[in-house]
Amino acid sequence: GAVVSQHPSRVICKSGTSVKIECRSLDFQATTMFWYRQFPKKSLMLMATSNEGSKATYEQGVEKDKFLINHASLTLSTLTVTSAHPEDSSFYICSARTGTDTQYFGPGTRLTVL
Amino acid sequence: AQKVTQAQTEISVVEKEDVTLDCVYETRDTTYYLFWYKQPPSGELVFLIRRNSFDEQNEISGRYSWNFQKSTSSFNFTITASQVVDSAVYFCALIRRGSQGNLIFGKGTKLSVKP
Repeated sequence: GAVVSQHPSRVICKSGTSVKIECRSLDFQATTMFWYRQFPKKSLMLMATSNEGSKATYEQGVEKDKFLINHASLTLSTLTVTSAHPEDSSFYICSARTGTDTQYFGPGTRLTVL
Repeated sequence: AQKVTQAQTEISVVEKEDVTLDCVYETRDTTYYLFWYKQPPSGELVFLIRRNSFDEQNEISGRYSWNFQKSTSSFNFTITASQVVDSAVYFCALIRRGSQGNLIFGKGTKLSVKP
């Protein structure tokens, strides 16, 4: 299957700092990528849909100024958590969609904000 | 509206037992895809299968098999002779074919396989 990488896998930062997470499709081009957040023992919560070359579409309740998404190329989307606070601590997962409507997921990034 | 229901929150079996994970979906679309993903403790979601709504043939892949029945809107997943490595959370998901939107996920079933 297709491979999606995510970097970093784990990050610890101080409250008030910004953190950037990268999501790359390694062996295919993805016009659409998705960003999810997952709380412990819960299902995935879609945060936003990222389309190459256009603005991301955010789900209701997700602050676009806090979670900045950039999809600058067909293989890279980034999520920047700005002015992170402890309540932003979570597991963030990206996915990339192939031409066959199948989403492949990255390994996830565990963010801890102190 | 689209919805995916995984009624089993947690299942615990002993190694070598067979186990079936249930998935029931709701959709008004006539063409759609159904998926199963595995999320082991490491966190990464692993793609297992995609099923087109037009294809009701059951599929077998090694110890894994899937039973798709449109009449009951179900897409159940069976693991035969379970192993400890099968311990994970399994998600069933749905998307309208050709949709630019997102997967609709069930809440997941946590499978624990004990030695």
